[in-house]
Amino acid sequence: EPEVTQTPSHQVTQMGQEVILRCVPISNHLYFYWYRQILGQKVEFLVSFYNNEISEKSEIFDDQFSVERPDGSNFTLKIRSTKLEDSAMYFCASSEMGTQNIQYFGAGTRLSVL
Amino acid sequence: RKEVEQDPGPFNVPEGATVAFNCTYSNSASQSFFWYRQDCRKEPKLLMSVYSSGNEDGRFTAQLNRASQYISLLIRDSKLSDSATYLCAVNMDRGYNKLIFGAGTRLAVHP
Repeated sequence: EPEVTQTPSHQVTQMGQEVILRCVPISNHLYFYWYRQILGQKVEFLVSFYNNEISEKSEIFDDQFSVERPDGSNFTLKIRSTKLEDSAMYFCASSEMGTQNIQYFGAGTRLSVL
Repeated sequence: RKEVEQDPGPFNVPEGATVAFNCTYSNSASQSFFWYRQDCRKEPKLLMSVYSSGNEDGRFTAQLNRASQYISLLIRDSKLSDSATYLCAVNMDRGYNKLIFGAGTRLAVHP
């Protein structure tokens, strides 16, 4: 079964450092998303991406965040200067056109900011 | 009022029991509805989409009540492996936009 893959599974970084989280969406999917889940809290939408541009972003997705699709397969989330409160699980998801927006999630990257 | 609300539980049930969860949503224009299952520190996994006519997949039945703005999930003949957190997710738009998740309902099935 096709799946969304994310790397690394766990990233530890120092406050103020830049991190890049990587995702390979399902190959025929055209819509890509990032969500995050702080420990013990709900899954929160960060950003959606279609046709090489952001289609929607949340209040959380401020100037410190950016997304990119550098090639035909990868989809990345960059946090420019990490803060302690950025510590969370970051999930990438993708969806295919015409399927009522069913989103499939990757296994996540656990980001720990020290 | 929260956009998507769920009873956090936990629901502690014996194996073989039938258990039901509800999820309410605030936006009457919501278009698509889903139940995801999340195991501890893992990703949400799609359990089922929820259609207006209701749908069933084995032991799982989902219903949508647009008038009262809630969706439900019924699990029959609970198994130990059903222990997880069940997330309700709502899409507000016809487009391919964000899912709004509830905080989840925790289910613990015991022998």
